[in-house]
Amino acid sequence: GIQVEQSPPDLILQEGANSTLRCNFSDSVNNLQWFHQNPWGQLINLFYIPSGTKQNGRLSATTVATERYSLLYISSSQTTDSGVYFCAGTGANSKLTFGKGITLSVRP
Amino acid sequence: SAVISQKPSRDICQRGTSLTIQCQVDSQVTMMFWYRQQPGQSLTLIATANQGSEATYESGFVIDKFPISRPNLTFSTLTVSNMSPEDSSIYLCSVWRLAYNEQFFGPGTRLTVL
Repeated sequence: GIQVEQSPPDLILQEGANSTLRCNFSDSVNNLQWFHQNPWGQLINLFYIPSGTKQNGRLSATTVATERYSLLYISSSQTTDSGVYFCAGTGANSKLTFGKGITLSVRP
Repeated sequence: SAVISQKPSRDICQRGTSLTIQCQVDSQVTMMFWYRQQPGQSLTLIATANQGSEATYESGFVIDKFPISRPNLTFSTLTVSNMSPEDSSIYLCSVWRLAYNEQFFGPGTRLTVL
């Protein structure tokens, strides 16, 4: 199956700052999703983005499929953005494989 | 999106016992997935559950330890058998929604084994 690498593993921001989270894939993916896991463990779908760019409020994501990476941008971060951000992709085996996650802490 | 509920939301169990986790989806789905998230770790797929057939397990997971039922297109159960402290994890069920081309997750069951 595919390998998913996320960076950086941890990120600490001051409220109001911007950040970029990166996800690299070892092979082509058919499906690429970004999730936010809140402190209660709930996984929230952020983006389905196998290619191109999407925006949703202060969040946006870009996937360059030919180069096998995706970026998640968080602008004007808020304390409620804290949590773990996962990217996940589906390869040839049609199973969603997760990266190890990026732990984001936004301080007031 | 998808409305997925799980029961129980959390439990504390003694080693050697078993716990059955229920997953209910708001509409019919072909495949349901069960994941495990060990403390501080990422999500790992346990098995894929199709209605009317045996579940397909990933490497490292076996039916005797994690039996799965899928009696209809909106419901599934995962049992964690003969539990040990190493089974302490969050267990999540998930479905693929073709209309959205996305996979959605239930709220998870937080299991602690003493």
